[in-house]
Amino acid sequence: SQQGEEDPQALSIQEGENATMNCSYKTSINNLQWYRQNSGRGLVHLILIRSNEREKHSGRLRVTLDTSKKSSSLLITASRAADTASYFCATDDTGFQKLVFGTGTRLLVSP
Amino acid sequence: GAVVSQHPSWVICKSGTSVKIECRSLDFQATTMFWYRQFPKQSLMLMATSNEGSKATYEQGVEKDKFLINHASLTLSTLTVTSAHPEDSSFYICMIGTDTQYFGPGTRLTVL
Repeated sequence: SQQGEEDPQALSIQEGENATMNCSYKTSINNLQWYRQNSGRGLVHLILIRSNEREKHSGRLRVTLDTSKKSSSLLITASRAADTASYFCATDDTGFQKLVFGTGTRLLVSP
Repeated sequence: GAVVSQHPSWVICKSGTSVKIECRSLDFQATTMFWYRQFPKQSLMLMATSNEGSKATYEQGVEKDKFLINHASLTLSTLTVTSAHPEDSSFYICMIGTDTQYFGPGTRLTVL
């Protein structure tokens, strides 16, 4: 399978703490994206980082990309209970349109 | 950005029946649409690539005779789960786009 791996599989933290999720992938990519999914719902696009970028910020989100290690991390700072969701990384194989998703991290933020 | 709709949003059917799921691109002409499946507490797995006017391309392990895909126009792709069984119960999501991807809201299929 070409599916990427994410760790941890599950993460439980308190409000105000930071949450870090990691994603590793297997092929060359044009870009890497992070999505959020609330239970039983559709996907919400969070951030896209291109293969020539190393770090990107959006609000409380910080994403890093290391193409030499084929890995990325998503940091959510000052987490809130509303951040409770599953988070997936997704990569596009170079030359293909389709997205390949990582295994996901289930984040639980307790008040 | 493009708006993608799916119909129905949820469906419950008896084992052995067929279920059709529609994916519509409301403001974007999509020559290619993608169908994903997501089992409970798992990630999205690509099932097939739907190509307008031609046959769909299926991922390894996905039965093309069981999951019929029709992409008859630039704004509509349908996925038909034939002779559905309980193990087909899943969340089905379509996606369009190239540089930017747009996802449908998903269809939850429950087969009794």
